[in-house]
Amino acid sequence: DAKTTQPNSMESNEEEPVHLPCNHSTISGTDYIHWYRQLPSQGPEYVIHGLTSNVNNRMASLAIAEDRKSSTLILHRATLRDAAVYYCILRDDFLRAQKLVFGQGTRLTINP
Amino acid sequence: SQTIHQWPATLVQPVGSPLSLECTVEGTSNPNLYWYRQAAGRGLQLLFYSVGIGQISSEVPQNLSASRPQDRQFILSSKKLLLSDSGFYLCAWSVERGGGFSGTEAFFGQGTRLTVV
Repeated sequence: DAKTTQPNSMESNEEEPVHLPCNHSTISGTDYIHWYRQLPSQGPEYVIHGLTSNVNNRMASLAIAEDRKSSTLILHRATLRDAAVYYCILRDDFLRAQKLVFGQGTRLTINP
Repeated sequence: SQTIHQWPATLVQPVGSPLSLECTVEGTSNPNLYWYRQAAGRGLQLLFYSVGIGQISSEVPQNLSASRPQDRQFILSSKKLLLSDSGFYLCAWSVERGGGFSGTEAFFGQGTRLTVV
């Protein structure tokens, strides 16, 4: 499995933007970049995914480097409810049978 | 719409007792199914995944087993629980179309918090 590297923890203030980085230097041409987050005592939930172009949805934005070796999840205006562990995962969607493996993720703390 | 059911929400079992956790998915067919465990304060560990009925891949040798008797049913079992089996167990599903379709997302159940005493 192609690996990703994320900081163990980050801290930000409420109502400020948050930029969560992810390095994936061994990404292949068919790997999609997925982000999930896990709120306390809950299962992970999907946040966003992309292949080459930057992506926006109601939850966040995903900025993908031109060489695709890194990406950044952007929370435009963090709230206390955004405090969670954020996981960056690579998935090859050309493969029918594949695992879904999570790393350690980034624990995001939001200060009021 | 698709939903995933996982039960029970909490479970306290004595060491040496058997375990059966069930997960069912509604509203989709031929999903990939996954079992994860999360020890307290730790990351998500993939235990088993399945791409079809009767097809189980084990990621970590351990005291647990999984079965998929029906397309949308995934069962996690143990014959004799150990203290180290305590944790938060999560079931998940995804539909993997493959072949160049846009990325697919996975959906997780609410989890079962197992305490072995």
